[in-house]
Amino acid sequence: DTAVSQTPKYLVTQMGNDKSIKCEQNLGHDTMYWYKQDSKKFLKIMFSYNNKELIINETVPNRFSPKSPDKAHLNLHINSLELGDSAVYFCASSYKRGTGNTEAFFGQGTRLTVV
Amino acid sequence: KQEVTQIPAALSVPEGENLVLNCSFTDSAIYNLQWFRQDPGKGLTSLLLIQSSQREQTSGRLNASLDKSSGRSTLYIAASQPGDSATYLCAVRVYSGGGADGLTFGKGTHLIIQP
Repeated sequence: DTAVSQTPKYLVTQMGNDKSIKCEQNLGHDTMYWYKQDSKKFLKIMFSYNNKELIINETVPNRFSPKSPDKAHLNLHINSLELGDSAVYFCASSYKRGTGNTEAFFGQGTRLTVV
Repeated sequence: KQEVTQIPAALSVPEGENLVLNCSFTDSAIYNLQWFRQDPGKGLTSLLLIQSSQREQTSGRLNASLDKSSGRSTLYIAASQPGDSATYLCAVRVYSGGGADGLTFGKGTHLIIQP
């Protein structure tokens, strides 16, 4: 069983389009995250959600809108895609500090290419 | 602002050698530190998690140490094998975001084990 799964694995789209990436975790964690890995392979947090509530929003353009329908799912919607959005996006999950083991688990990533 | 540095950026050694990867962080007020490996085109695999109150953790041929006061961690790999070839990432969890803290990553050490 895959603990953190993302779809799609690859996404190629034109500038200006709107796209979504989906993430699901079956670990029972209460917190989920989106990270971006740029072309230089540097990973940086974008958002964190705890029990469907947005907690961290790290200076990400408002074209990026996360949505959490329940604590096992966190989707990322991107409007008006730009060339600079090309990157690998990783979903992750863990327990919130103080509620359990905070080891973070990552999905396999979604490689987004904007042309 | 927390910054994580990993040295060396790349390392190539013959099979069988013991090796040490280094990680340093600027703010010692961390909650925990986690080591990951990333294989090309794949997600992150958690290797070891060290809580801020711990000095080391071991898993098989891997041993990670933490010196929080000096802002340093090392990952020791014993008897290296070609299958250990990957990028190794160090990440610290800082106190922020009401418990839904994100990880701050280093840029990784790209390790090649020569058969």
